[in-house]
Amino acid sequence: AQKVTQAQTEISVVEKEDVTLDCVYETRDTTYYLFWYKQPPSGELVFLIRRNSFDEQNEISGRYSWNFQKSTSSFNFTITASQVVDSAVYFCALSEAWRDDKIIFGKGTRLHILP
Amino acid sequence: DSGVTQTPKHLITATGQRVTLRCSPRSGDLSVYWYQQSLDQGLQFLIQYYNGEERAKGNILERFSAQQFPDLHSELNLSSLELGDSALYFCASSVDGGSAEAFFGQGTRLTVV
Repeated sequence: AQKVTQAQTEISVVEKEDVTLDCVYETRDTTYYLFWYKQPPSGELVFLIRRNSFDEQNEISGRYSWNFQKSTSSFNFTITASQVVDSAVYFCALSEAWRDDKIIFGKGTRLHILP
Repeated sequence: DSGVTQTPKHLITATGQRVTLRCSPRSGDLSVYWYQQSLDQGLQFLIQYYNGEERAKGNILERFSAQQFPDLHSELNLSSLELGDSALYFCASSVDGGSAEAFFGQGTRLTVV
C-alpha cells in the first residue's frame, strides 16, 4: 500500500539557516509520482514540485532544492538561506498513477523560521 | 490564485444536518479530488472523479457522497453531521489523474456545533 512518512512534525530554525525536510515513501509500483506542497498560515495549499519515479535528477529552484533517492525511497526538500516567509506546513505526497490515481499526503512538517 | 473555486468558504451548522460543498475546477482540468484536513488526521483523501466518473475512493464515510457533473464541477454532500466532521475540506483539480500536479482551492471550513 502507498504511504508517505514525514517524521519531522515540527522544525524551528533561525532565519538564513538551511533546513531539510525529510520524506520517506512506500509503494509497490515502479511508476509513481512524488509531490511537495506548501501550506502557509493563510491555509491554501500551494504546489511546489512534481517528480516521476524515472527521473532521479535533483532539482533546484531558487532557494529550494529536492533530493530524490529511489534506493532509500526518499524525496527530501531543502530550503537554503531560509526566510521568515518560508514558515508554513510542508506536505510530501505520492501517487501510484497506474494503480488508482489518488494522491496520498504525509502528515506534514510545520516549519518555523525565527527572525 | 490556483483557479480552483470552492464555495462556501465557511459553514457553520448543527449536528444531524446536511450540507453541500461545491467545487469548480480549473478550466480544462478533468479530475477533481476531495480531501478532509483535520488537526489530528492531516490531509485525508476522500474521493476522486475523472470526467464525471468516480476513479478512486479513500476513507470516505458512508454519510458522505460526491459527484462530478457534466460541466465538471463537483459537489461533496455531508449528511447526519457529527461534531467530528468539523474540518477544512479541500477540493483539488488536475488535468489528468494522479500523474499530474493537483491544484487546490482555498477550502471550505466546516464547523459542526
